[in-house]
Amino acid sequence: DARVTQTPRDKVTEMGQEVTMRCQPILGHNTVFWYRQTMMQGLELLAYFRNRAPLDDSGMPKDRFSAEMPDATLATLKIQPSEPRDSAVYFCASGHGTSTEAFFGQGTRLTVV
Amino acid sequence: AQSVTQLGSHVSVSEGALVLLRCNYSSSVPPYLFWYVQYPNQGLQLLLKYTSAATLVKGINGFEAEFKKSETSFHLTKPSAHMSDAAEYFCAVSDPGGSEKLVFGKGTKLTVNP
Repeated sequence: DARVTQTPRDKVTEMGQEVTMRCQPILGHNTVFWYRQTMMQGLELLAYFRNRAPLDDSGMPKDRFSAEMPDATLATLKIQPSEPRDSAVYFCASGHGTSTEAFFGQGTRLTVV
Repeated sequence: AQSVTQLGSHVSVSEGALVLLRCNYSSSVPPYLFWYVQYPNQGLQLLLKYTSAATLVKGINGFEAEFKKSETSFHLTKPSAHMSDAAEYFCAVSDPGGSEKLVFGKGTKLTVNP
């Protein structure tokens, strides 16, 4: 049963600390998305990759956020330094481009205190 | 740039009643359109998708949606609501051949009353 795997599922950290979230896309998928979900803003696209290359990261605060795909089996989203306003659920999704559906992971719930 | 508007952040229906969740989109090119469902503490799951084939699309769990270009709409319907349909529903749009971003609406929370 192929699925997108995100770790950790929950993360509580203090303001100013570095946070790294990891995503293992479904094997063979060439597109990876990072979304942030909050009550106020809903689902916001932070960044997406095609064949490991970043296509668009305009939704991501560049001063503190970074997204990478070191290889085809791993995508990372890093926040340094973290702030309380970063508290949200972060979702990773993968697919074969956007003509087919994106498969979502279970999300990482981040709380910055 | 494409965008999605979901009318009604909360919809409440009785069990057995018609479910209608509204979605209007904005896109400069013929879009691909999707409906996703999210259960509490879960990721999003695809219900159905429109990718320029038949305008009436059938999905899982008895849901369907109709693409109406003249109205720029892609409303989601189900003839008879079940308690298990209670969840949050998201409409999404992408522009194939363009930026191909998958952009979501704000979501509609569906409550089903016994």
